[in-house]
Amino acid sequence: GNSVTQMEGPVTLSEEAFLTINCTYTATGYPSLFWYVQYPGEGLQLLLKATKADDKGSNKGFEATYRKETTSFHLEKGSVQVSDSAVYFCALRKGGGGADGLTFGKGTHLIIQP
Amino acid sequence: GAGVSQTPSNKVTEKGKYVELRCDPISGHTALYWYRQSLGQGPEFLIYFQGTGAADDSGLPNDRFFAVRPEGSVSTLKIQRTERGDSAVYLCASSLSGSLQNTEAFFGQGTRLTVV
Repeated sequence: GNSVTQMEGPVTLSEEAFLTINCTYTATGYPSLFWYVQYPGEGLQLLLKATKADDKGSNKGFEATYRKETTSFHLEKGSVQVSDSAVYFCALRKGGGGADGLTFGKGTHLIIQP
Repeated sequence: GAGVSQTPSNKVTEKGKYVELRCDPISGHTALYWYRQSLGQGPEFLIYFQGTGAADDSGLPNDRFFAVRPEGSVSTLKIQRTERGDSAVYLCASSLSGSLQNTEAFFGQGTRLTVV
């Protein structure tokens, strides 16, 4: 079945550091891939997505590239801010037939220190 | 309201009781999803509605769980004979038309269910 594996947290970085959160997936076919973010006290929000191989999703300075050959969708940001502190979830869309649900990873808690 | 609304925000119930959790999607959104998030885990898909019908209920863990969306807007997740293992945050999301590679799912803040 489909699954998503992402790096365990918490990840603690200093402001302006470079961020990578690893995500790999197992799926049949070619799923769409997503990163969601949950800020403290708020609901899940879509951060970025990519729907086919070699697509790059980007938003708010974050980027992730859909790598079919390594089945990965790693999240990166060149210079993090304190306001980026949140829990980040990698996810894939099941697709096929009437299915449209998302399969999520366990989440990575990111803490940015000033 | 502008977003997905879930009520109640918190629910404490005794083992064996019946509970109903409500989701009000964004107006005009035809697709609605229920997820369950246990502590330290990512959301786990339960069921997907397209309009009034359940297009995919493969994530419902057993026959104690049931969900309805009779008029294609508000949805209710129903849990019978609750067990302590049902304790989790239940999330609802909606999207304009389904097909999440093309449309965005908007999540509510969830209902925290605690079974004691």
